[in-house]
Amino acid sequence: ILNVEQSPQSLHVQEGDSTNFTCSFPSSNFYALHWYRWETAKSPEALFVMTLNGDEKKKGRISATLNTKEGYSYLYIKGSQPEDSATYLCAFRGSQGNLIFGKGTKLSVKP
Amino acid sequence: EPEVTQTPSHQVTQMGQEVILRCVPISNHLYFYWYRQILGQKVEFLVSFYNNEISEKSEIFDDQFSVERPDGSNFTLKIRSTKLEDSAMYFCASSEAPGQGGEQYFGPGTRLTVT
Repeated sequence: ILNVEQSPQSLHVQEGDSTNFTCSFPSSNFYALHWYRWETAKSPEALFVMTLNGDEKKKGRISATLNTKEGYSYLYIKGSQPEDSATYLCAFRGSQGNLIFGKGTKLSVKP
Repeated sequence: EPEVTQTPSHQVTQMGQEVILRCVPISNHLYFYWYRQILGQKVEFLVSFYNNEISEKSEIFDDQFSVERPDGSNFTLKIRSTKLEDSAMYFCASSEAPGQGGEQYFGPGTRLTVT
C-alpha cells in the first residue's frame, strides 16, 4: 500500500515567521510530487509539480525541494502572512496518473 | 483564468437514493478524475477517465459508482444507492495529460451528506 505522510499535522506561527513542513512518500515508481494549498470552501490550488531529484521550485515566498531517492519533499514559507493560513497538501503520483495524498499540514498564521 | 466547477456545492440525500454530482472540467483538458475526502481523513482517489472510458479506478469505486461524460463539457459521478459512509466531500479534477508535468486542477468540491 502506497502511503504519503505529512508532518506536522498543524502549525501555529506568528506573522513574519518562516516555516517549513515535510512530505514523505514512496521512493519507488516515482513520477511526480504535487503540492497544493487548500483554503476551506475553495478549490485546492496547485502550487508545484516536482519531478526530478534535487528539484527546487519557488513561487513568491513559497519554495519546495525534492529528494526522490530518500522519498521526501520540504515546503518552505518565508515571512508567513495571515493570508498563508491554509492546509498544505502533498500528493504522490506514480505510473498510473492518480494522486495519493497526505493528510495535509494545517497552517495558522497569527497577525 | 479557467477553472473546474462543480455543482451542487452541497447535496443532502437519504440513504438508498441515487445522486449525481456534476463537474465542468477545464475546456482543453482531456483527463478527468474524481476524488473524495471523508471528514478527518485523506483525500482518496476514486476514478480517472480518458477518451470516454475509465482508465483507472480504486477499490472504493465499486458497482454503486459510475462516471459519464454525457456531452462535451460535463463530467458526472453517479452513486446508485447511497450509504451513510458515502458522506464526504467529492472533488473533480482535470488535467491536460497525466505525463510527468501533468498538473491536476481541482474544483471546489461537492459536500455530500447521506442521512
